[in-house]
Amino acid sequence: TQLLEQSPQFLSIQEGENLTVYCNSSSVFSSLQWYRQEPGEGPVLLVTVVTGGEVKKLKRLTFQFGDARKDSSLHITAAQPGDTGLYLCAGSLSGGYNKLIFGAGTRLAVHP
Amino acid sequence: KAGVTQTPRYLIKTRGQQVTLSCSPISGHRSVSWYQQTPGQGLQFLFEYFSETQRNKGNFPGRFSGRQFSNSRSEMNVSTLELGDSALYLCASSYVRGKDTQYFGPGTRLTVL
Repeated sequence: TQLLEQSPQFLSIQEGENLTVYCNSSSVFSSLQWYRQEPGEGPVLLVTVVTGGEVKKLKRLTFQFGDARKDSSLHITAAQPGDTGLYLCAGSLSGGYNKLIFGAGTRLAVHP
Repeated sequence: KAGVTQTPRYLIKTRGQQVTLSCSPISGHRSVSWYQQTPGQGLQFLFEYFSETQRNKGNFPGRFSGRQFSNSRSEMNVSTLELGDSALYLCASSYVRGKDTQYFGPGTRLTVL
């Protein structure tokens, strides 16, 4: 059983559509990070959220950390083909230091 | 500032052999963590080193080991390779432990035949 449930697993959309990816857990995380990974490469950090209720925006990407620090979401507005990739959420449990717990990932394909 | 580097990028081994992978963290970073990524299990934490000491360990057999040197560079070793060890091995570094963000290297793709 995944400690961090990420959904949906796959997403295929047209350019210009909006989408939201969710990460949910029954555990409380001290911080949560979102990464994007290209095939054969390492994950690239998009954002880190540490405060319950925190919202961060990165151009067309909006990240939210739940009030109870058990869940997070990534919303992409007007998706573009360049957004295609594997999106991963990863949480750090209190006292877990640098042991990140990863979600299974969301594979996004944006078609022109 | 240069990112996390990992060598080699690709490796092919046969069952029963052993392998050593290397990771150089971002300059000034003292914590190095290792992860295994497979299609079936996703990204799983192997271990973390800080100040040359293993601080945290994931749920992997003893065939997986690592070490960290005084310059923060780290190596991981897998002995008696099995087919299931085929994976992308990722190294991540951070300045300190705790809430500090981890930055990943490009990974080493290990194929066991």
